[in-house]
This record gives sequence, structure tokens and C-alpha cells, in this order.
Amino acid sequence: AQKITQTQPGMFVQEKEAVTLDCTYDTSDQSYGLFWYKQPSSGEMIFLIYQGSYDEQNATEGRYSLNFQKARKSANLVISASQLGDSAMYFCAMRETSTGANSKLTFGKGITLSVRP
Amino acid sequence: GAGVSQSPSNKVTEKGKDVELRCDPISGHTALYWYRQSLGQGLEFLIYFQGNSAPDKSGLPSDRFSAERTGGSVSTLTIQRTQQEDSAVYLCASSLGGGQTYEQYFGPGTRLTVT
Repeated sequence: AQKITQTQPGMFVQEKEAVTLDCTYDTSDQSYGLFWYKQPSSGEMIFLIYQGSYDEQNATEGRYSLNFQKARKSANLVISASQLGDSAMYFCAMRETSTGANSKLTFGKGITLSVRP
Repeated sequence: GAGVSQSPSNKVTEKGKDVELRCDPISGHTALYWYRQSLGQGLEFLIYFQGNSAPDKSGLPSDRFSAERTGGSVSTLTIQRTQQEDSAVYLCASSLGGGQTYEQYFGPGTRLTVT
């Protein structure tokens, strides 16, 4: 079974509107971390936001927030006030502590976001 | 400070040749990771280093792939007898280590094309 599922093949949003990118995950660990990365067409992977499994508050970083629903095992990324520069591929990833505190990230297949002017 | 650097940025090689890819992590980062990204795919984990040791090599796809890290810094990923299916972007990442909250910082990648 996939550990990270990103099913939206491509998303479009109007500039200045908000958009939600979906991510569901599967783990039996009680302690884990969830990450979102952005990959523009230039190829670099840019860290956006982190949510720990024990964090009670949803993480926020500027225009990015993570809608964490632990019981549903979902960690959706919300981008507010979209900008043209937000057009990119977005990856959700998870680290499970059962495999070590500094263990690998397991990535989803990504979602392409296009922001329309 | 400088970010993660990788070299070369692009590599074209003939099938059957060996290639070496280099990663220079952020200074002070004890954890180093190699991932592979094929066209249209997510990132596939290859190997993880903590210092000079590799506690997790589970992602290396075959014994043609090997990696080492020296001095707790630079890492080299070697692919022997390259095959066309090895064509991908190879990404290196580093992190502070010491806890699961530390994000991984990625390099720009090496695009490998095997002809």
C-alpha cells in the first residue's frame, strides 16, 4: 500500500485565491512527521512546512498552512492568496520514527499546481 | 552560507559505463540522503548517511549502485555498468540530524542520461 497518496493530477487556481492540495498517508507509527515540498520547473526542492504527529495545532508558515486531520490520516496543504510564482509541483512526504529519528522521507507522487493570472 | 551542491549538473553517458555523482552537504549537517526522481515520478529514496556510516541502504536498486561519505561531509554515489533505466535526476539532501523535526535541504540535482 502507498504510504503517501496524492491523487489530484493537476490543480488550477486563480491568482489571489486560496487552494488546497490533498495528501493522505498510511502508517502504524504513533510518532511521525509530515512535510510539504515545492518543486518549481527549475527543479530544486524547497521545504515549505512541517507537522509533527503530536502537534495539536495546525502548522502555519506565512501563506502556507497544513490542515492536519490525524484520525483521517490527512495532511492537506492550504496556500492562501495564490501568486503566479506558486505554480510548481508540490510533494507531500512523511518520516516515520520507527525507522529512526533521521530516517528517509517517503514522498507522494506530487501534484501540479498552475496559478492563472 | 552555501546550500547543498551537486556535481555535475548534467551527465550523459553510454550504457555500460560507470558514473560518479558528487554531493557536498551544508556545513554542519550530519545526515545526508540520496534520492532519485524519474520522469513523472515522485522521489525514490536510495541511501541515508549519518556521519560516515550508512544505517539505511534499503533503497539502492541493485548492487551496481554504491555510495560513500568521507570526513562526514562529501558523498559520492557510484553507478557501475549503467543501464538506460538508470536515467533520472539524482538528488542529494542534508539535514542537521538529531531529531525528526529537521527538514532536509535539497541540492539542485544531477540529471543523468544513459544512451
